[in-house]
Amino acid sequence: GENVEQHPSTLSVQEGDSAVIKCTYSDSASNYFPWYKQELGKRPQLIIDIRSNVGEKKDQRIAVTLNKTAKHFSLHITETQPEDSAVYFCAASETSGNTGKLIFGQGTTLQVKP
Amino acid sequence: DTAVSQTPKYLVTQMGNDKSIKCEQNLGHDTMYWYKQDSKKFLKIMFSYNNKELIINETVPNRFSPKSPDKAHLNLHINSLELGDSAVYFCASSTPRGLWSNEQFFGPGTRLTVL
Repeated sequence: GENVEQHPSTLSVQEGDSAVIKCTYSDSASNYFPWYKQELGKRPQLIIDIRSNVGEKKDQRIAVTLNKTAKHFSLHITETQPEDSAVYFCAASETSGNTGKLIFGQGTTLQVKP
Repeated sequence: DTAVSQTPKYLVTQMGNDKSIKCEQNLGHDTMYWYKQDSKKFLKIMFSYNNKELIINETVPNRFSPKSPDKAHLNLHINSLELGDSAVYFCASSTPRGLWSNEQFFGPGTRLTVL
């Protein structure tokens, strides 16, 4: 089955700096890669996603890149702000199947210091 | 309007008891899920139902039994609770299956503490 590895487990940056979180996946059939943000005590919420027919996607300060050959994808946050502090999860899914199953990475705790 | 709701938000109980968590979504989604988030924040899929049919059943003790009375509700019943069941349980629902995305909408979570 699919396995998703996420690094680093914790990341501390100064406000205004960039943050990068990396994930690798094992199943070449995976074709959908979302990123979820979970603030302390809250539910995970989708912040950006990318499909396997696209190599890069950007939404304001957040961007995601995908390398299908190497089976890895990354989240890039630029000009970080204290409110970006949260746990970030990557995930992988094979959407043409009939389960919609998401396999999550282990999570990265991002701390943005003011 | 709350899209995915769960009750209760907190559940504190003794070992050996039986408890239930309820989930409802008003998004019109066909698929619902239960996840367990342990103390290390790891999110692990437990079950999924599509239109009342069980489609994902991960390696979960059979003390856990999901029930979906209709496609808007997915409940989780846990028998003979153990200390290791302490976690936050999230319900989620997703858009109809398709080739382009499977965005999942999570409920607020139920923090279960077994004493």
